[in-house]
Amino acid sequence: SQQGEEDPQALSIQEGENATMNCSYKTSINNLQWYRQNSGRGLVHLILIRSNEREKHSGRLRVTLDTSKKSSSLLITASRAADTASYFCATASSSGGSYIPTFGRGTSLIVHP
Amino acid sequence: DTGVSQNPRHKITKRGQNVTFRCDPISEHNRLYWYRQTLGQGPEFLTYFQNEAQLEKSRLLSDRFSAERPKGSFSTLEIQRTEQGDSAMYLCASSLAGQTNTEAFFGQGTRLTVV
Repeated sequence: SQQGEEDPQALSIQEGENATMNCSYKTSINNLQWYRQNSGRGLVHLILIRSNEREKHSGRLRVTLDTSKKSSSLLITASRAADTASYFCATASSSGGSYIPTFGRGTSLIVHP
Repeated sequence: DTGVSQNPRHKITKRGQNVTFRCDPISEHNRLYWYRQTLGQGPEFLTYFQNEAQLEKSRLLSDRFSAERPKGSFSTLEIQRTEQGDSAMYLCASSLAGQTNTEAFFGQGTRLTVV
């Protein structure tokens, strides 16, 4: 079963617009990571946000985490055609002694030039 | 290149054949994960190692699948008697154990096609 679920499943925007993707999860976590995947390629790590953090920035990326709502969002500002990819959130918990990032189904983002 | 390396990148095999994939993690990382990803889905956990110990296996990992990490460095994933349903991207990731908030970095994956 998949812990995180991204929303929307697909997003289509014009270059220069902002893109917001959401991730909801079910159980308590230690951290949440966002990844990007270009078609047929491996996953590229974007940002890790810890459970005691509420917001984190990296370049044009802004990630928020609301542990009370068990949700996170990824905002890409001033999008570019090169941002076209699938975006995944992965949650990890150390409960039970394991620490296994668990992924959702992803959001497919298309940025039109 | 000091990232996670996977070989081969692509593998086409006939149903019933055995295949083996290799993963070389980031050198100082002692946790290594295998995932499987099919089209339109997120990566699904298969198994993970801490050093040479295989600590957890998913129920997805049938008896035909076996993974090893003999010296706590590289890992291999073998699929015996492949089936068409095994066609997928197999992804390897590594991270640093001992800390709960470290990033897991992925390789480029091995795409398996069973014909």
